[in-house]
Amino acid sequence: RKEVEQDPGPFNVPEGATVAFNCTYSNSASQSFFWYRQDCRKEPKLLMSVYSSGNEDGRFTAQLNRASQYISLLIRDSKLSDSATYLCVVGPGHDKIIFGKGTRLHILP
Amino acid sequence: DTAVSQTPKYLVTQMGNDKSIKCEQNLGHDTMYWYKQDSKKFLKIMFSYNNKELIINETVPNRFSPKSPDKAHLNLHINSLELGDSAVYFCASIGLAGGSSYNEQFFGPGTRLTVL
Repeated sequence: RKEVEQDPGPFNVPEGATVAFNCTYSNSASQSFFWYRQDCRKEPKLLMSVYSSGNEDGRFTAQLNRASQYISLLIRDSKLSDSATYLCVVGPGHDKIIFGKGTRLHILP
Repeated sequence: DTAVSQTPKYLVTQMGNDKSIKCEQNLGHDTMYWYKQDSKKFLKIMFSYNNKELIINETVPNRFSPKSPDKAHLNLHINSLELGDSAVYFCASIGLAGGSSYNEQFFGPGTRLTVL
């Protein structure tokens, strides 16, 4: 199993739809989990941290399932500006963070 | 007041040359990284330094030599550049995100290296 695995997509979704991404990780001792967003030709930026209890930030909801070792990101009422690559990020420890290959999302008008 | 800055932003050079990329962070973080993002967009860690000490070296060819003169700077020197070195190189530092107990990575804008 790869350390962090994501469906590369692309996901082509009409504006206003709900889209969900999943990500699996191999290290059961992982402590921290994040979703990053990377726009074309730009650096990755933190979208949200993922907490054990799940967390929501506006249209975005992140969930963590430690038993099955996956995290998810749900985007509701998608906007054209949500088009980007979404990177699943897992931290086994404080000094090393592992990035998934990313899932490309295209929101269609 | 850029948090993590890199220079140059674009670098075009011939095979066999030696080049350096500079990175500086003004966040007061102890840990900094170099990542390589290739044409397939996979972001792969190369090196990590904590307070000027190398802590991660991910089987990178020894043509790549990071140098950390102080904890705010992590430069990357590349000898004898090869075609396969063409990629975007991101510098990052890690520290607590505002109001959080979790570490967040802050990335520089990237250096797009093209080897001809």
